Amino acid sequence: KQEVTQIPAALSVPEGENLVLNCSFTDSAIYNLQWFRQDPGKGLTSLLLIQSSQREQTSGRLNASLDKSSGRSTLYIAASQPGDSATYLCAVHETGANNLFFGTGTRLTVIP
Amino acid sequence: EAGVAQSPRYKIIEKRQSVAFWCNPISGHATLYWYQQILGQGPKLLIQFQNNGVVDDSQLPKDRFSAERLKGVDSTLKIQPAKLEDSAVYLCASSRLSYYEQYFGPGTRLTVT
Repeated sequence: KQEVTQIPAALSVPEGENLVLNCSFTDSAIYNLQWFRQDPGKGLTSLLLIQSSQREQTSGRLNASLDKSSGRSTLYIAASQPGDSATYLCAVHETGANNLFFGTGTRLTVIP
Repeated sequence: EAGVAQSPRYKIIEKRQSVAFWCNPISGHATLYWYQQILGQGPKLLIQFQNNGVVDDSQLPKDRFSAERLKGVDSTLKIQPAKLEDSAVYLCASSRLSYYEQYFGPGTRLTVT
């Protein structure tokens, strides 16, 4: 059964720092991997989707990488801002499965 | 384009009562998902629809949960009777097709007392 792990569970950084969030998964037979942001009391906002054939995706200050063979993905956030404070979730879509398998998230706090 | 809509946003009920949630997906999205997110955990799939047919309901507690998607658009999720452990956020998501990017609604926070 696919298991998705995110480390660290919580992270605090000063404004302006670059940071990396980590996601690992146990079964490399994935179709794609998606990174989400969740603000308190809100739903999930899709940030980036990486297909299994891709190595990375970029959107603004965000860059997500995927190493399928080692079961790892990273989300890089450049020049962090207080507005980036949220919980970041990664989810993998297994080949042949119908749903996303989610990690438990990393709660990010950017201190002004 | 308009996002995924859900209602109500919050609901408080007593155990053994019933409750229903509504979801309107993004227009043109054939696939609709209901997830349950317990505090501190990632969302867990309850049921997936492709148009108005069920694709996967293997993790839906069928003795108390039911869902339907009439006419392949809106969907309702019902819990009857509710238990304390059903307290969670219920998220609806949609995608153009399976394996495509999923878009989530704001969720319904259910508290069972």
